[in-house]
Amino acid sequence: SAVISQKPSRDICQRGTSLTIQCQVDSQVTMMFWYRQQPGQSLTLIATANQGSEATYESGFVIDKFPISRPNLTFSTLTVSNMSPEDSSIYLCSVGVVADTQYFGPGTRLTVL
Amino acid sequence: AQTVTQSQPEMSVQEAETVTLSCTYDTSESDYYLFWYKQPPSRQMILVIRQEAYKQQNATENRFSVNFQKAAKSFSLKISDSQLGDAAMYFCAYRSARKAGTYKYIFGTGTRLKVLA
Repeated sequence: SAVISQKPSRDICQRGTSLTIQCQVDSQVTMMFWYRQQPGQSLTLIATANQGSEATYESGFVIDKFPISRPNLTFSTLTVSNMSPEDSSIYLCSVGVVADTQYFGPGTRLTVL
Repeated sequence: AQTVTQSQPEMSVQEAETVTLSCTYDTSESDYYLFWYKQPPSRQMILVIRQEAYKQQNATENRFSVNFQKAAKSFSLKISDSQLGDAAMYFCAYRSARKAGTYKYIFGTGTRLKVLA
């Protein structure tokens, strides 16, 4: 398994602003993922972040709204840009470690007013 | 495209009893992985158990076991001797084994499990 931390754990933001969420892993991993979990819903994959290349976004998610950085094998950031109340969600990062299994961070609870 | 269905939005179980959570999936692939994750109120997603489709033997992890029926595309989770700490949202997930290295999961909508003292 892997130990994954996220910062911030929660935040309350104003409409129109941006928030950057950090994800740190205690070991080097090839693949990192960012998910959104809207209230009471399942997880939706936003993008896959590979070190050294641009993130791959899922349908319905665009780089201008959710820019992602992956500067090294232990760290990634997700920015939620020009936020609106509809962006209020839990954002989770996960990593693929071994045996085709993903391990998740504790999540960031975002509230947009 | 693959889909994962959890038809029970909510389940309740008495402490120390056994409960089974249902999951069905749809795929045309023969090689894949299935997972159950637990998400307690703390919102941390925790891996409960995983199953490789090529294995006929059902996976077990202590009080947690699965009933994997490949032909029926069914993957239920049985929790024995339920404990208060088992109360959580449980998600079933599917991952294709065909595309090496992609790790992309497809999640079900979740089942909220309540454990009654």
